Amino acid sequence: EAGVTQFPSHSVIEKGQTVTLRCDPISGHDNLYWYRRVMGKEIKFLLHFVKESKQDESGMPNNRFLAERTGGTYSTLKVQPAELEDSGVYFCASSHSGLGSPLHFGNGTRLTVT
Amino acid sequence: DAKTTQPNSMESNEEEPVHLPCNHSTISGTDYIHWYRQLPSQGPEYVIHGLTSNVNNRMASLAIAEDRKSSTLILHRATLRDAAVYYCILRRGSNYKLTFGKGTLLTVNP
Repeated sequence: EAGVTQFPSHSVIEKGQTVTLRCDPISGHDNLYWYRRVMGKEIKFLLHFVKESKQDESGMPNNRFLAERTGGTYSTLKVQPAELEDSGVYFCASSHSGLGSPLHFGNGTRLTVT
Repeated sequence: DAKTTQPNSMESNEEEPVHLPCNHSTISGTDYIHWYRQLPSQGPEYVIHGLTSNVNNRMASLAIAEDRKSSTLILHRATLRDAAVYYCILRRGSNYKLTFGKGTLLTVNP
């Protein structure tokens, strides 16, 4: 089966601009997650979708970040306007429902805000 | 979320077994023990998970202490491709998200 795919793999934008990251989960996975690692820090949870609904968005840093999952398939994470501290690697993951179902991660989008 | 404690780094030689320890003294009865690893320039990769009994899969084995306050990930024959950061994570049964710590950086020497 195809894995979790993320687009783009790299993005370099200027402070104040807008960037949209896309994630295509594994087909049939109802759960979709966004994580990020900023420089020198640990991987942090951002939010969790179950199908098209936001189940937990406790990790979203502020209202400059907007995640959507229309139709319960792919998801987008928009940062508007981007700030320098948003630089990092953004990971998407998906999983089946059910206790203990492992998360399958994409290779991430490296975002650099200059 | 309950905390885990792992060594910052470990070293191994190729084709030798590797035992990666994890302490989780505040584990609760509904916490699953998950292991993920992250190879350079890739996303985290699921390795194995368990609740109470030891577990084996094609990648590794997971040995869980009887009191569940510690566990050990066992790579039976390390290869250069196993060089990665290994994360031991407690995941509450009803909670889908993972909380990553610093993990253990495993270096495999040829």
